[in-house]
Amino acid sequence: DGGITQSPKYLFRKEGQNVTLSCEQNLNHDAMYWYRQDPGQGLRLIYYSQIVNDFQKGDIAEGYSVSREKKESFPLTVTSAQKNPTAFYLCASSIQGTSGAKNIQYFGAGTRLSVL
Amino acid sequence: DAKTTQPTSMDCAEGRAANLPCNHSTISGNEYVYWYRQIHSQGPQYIIHGLKNNETNEMASLIITEDRKSSTLILPHATLRDTAVYYCIVENYGQNFVFGPGTRLSVLP
Repeated sequence: DGGITQSPKYLFRKEGQNVTLSCEQNLNHDAMYWYRQDPGQGLRLIYYSQIVNDFQKGDIAEGYSVSREKKESFPLTVTSAQKNPTAFYLCASSIQGTSGAKNIQYFGAGTRLSVL
Repeated sequence: DAKTTQPTSMDCAEGRAANLPCNHSTISGNEYVYWYRQIHSQGPQYIIHGLKNNETNEMASLIITEDRKSSTLILPHATLRDTAVYYCIVENYGQNFVFGPGTRLSVLP
């Protein structure tokens, strides 16, 4: 099946610990995105990548880091600098981040991160 | 970013059409309108998108006004499984989607 796989589904972080959320896609999409969603809120963009080995900060990048070494993978690290990491994290991909059908984003099932 | 305004919540009877409005009065140029929905604790699901003409697919219809300042998503025969938060998004070419709070649609038996 083609799609976006996020793992793990649930993740717990201890104080001062870095954790990494996995996002893999086999859709051959160039663009990938990470969003954060807090309860009852919309999605906020953390980081995005339009092409391998390149990525840009979104609206709330502080305390997060990413890498894009392979087209199909876009892992997100939640660092200890992120003081309020408890949220639902969503990864998405699109053919290209341009316009029309190429800009349709397809989402994974999400990772729910909690702080112990 | 082109801003959208949606009602906070709506109810619809099962089997009836659900009409979800969205205002995007600052839309310009060749910006597309996209609709997504998010069922509780899942990732958003793409529904439909359009530019100027009305669009229909197996999930829904999208009606865009002639001046493009508003649109309506129509679910022709709503079922209980259509209960979700529906997001209307206007792209800003080359920029990223802005997901607002959306409309919480409750389909009632």
